[in-house]
Amino acid sequence: NAGVTQTPKFQVLKTGQSMTLQCAQDMNHEYMSWYRQDPGMGLRLIHYSVGAGITDQGEVPNGYNVSRSTTEDFPLRLLSAAPSQTSVYFCASTPPGGAHEQYFGPGTRLTVT
Amino acid sequence: GDSVTQMEGPVTLSEEAFLTINCTYTATGYPSLFWYVQYPGEGLQLLLKATKADDKGSNKGFEATYRKETTSFHLEKGSVQVSDSAVYFCALSGQAGTALIFGKGTTLSVSS
Repeated sequence: NAGVTQTPKFQVLKTGQSMTLQCAQDMNHEYMSWYRQDPGMGLRLIHYSVGAGITDQGEVPNGYNVSRSTTEDFPLRLLSAAPSQTSVYFCASTPPGGAHEQYFGPGTRLTVT
Repeated sequence: GDSVTQMEGPVTLSEEAFLTINCTYTATGYPSLFWYVQYPGEGLQLLLKATKADDKGSNKGFEATYRKETTSFHLEKGSVQVSDSAVYFCALSGQAGTALIFGKGTTLSVSS
């Protein structure tokens, strides 16, 4: 069981470039989410998905797109990177029922210059 | 809307000192409450949780009690170690399905 995996671990982009942050989980969790972590801001929800084919916006969705074609994968796309998107990005998944605890990936540190 | 407020850090302690990190919340209904820990360069790990009022979550010597009357979930440890140095996040399960709402995090630094 690999849990939640994220690639790449580090990425540097120039303003205006696009890229996709990958996230996968092998626990058959329906619910997956993306957060960004910024100093002094905690974690803020970007987008989430309650199952394949269903996505919705979180607190800070602007500048990001997501899709969920399979239960396992939940990629996050930056269409035109901006310096304000410099952050650490975490993907998480949640098992059904219970107390809604989330399992986090190791994160992707993104720098936009 | 729902929110979590936790004490600002950094918190600096000597080894074997007593730790308290305060966390209060605002929520409708009956959320579950969590403490997560983030070690340097790593992702978040669940430290402990409580799902209803008066529940006590515990793990690795850390404890927190779900106090509905004071809307609090303070994290405590009787004797901290250098290896406890990390960022601690208080969180609750929000209204939007299973989304978690996080506090801003408290950095703990323990010296020997």
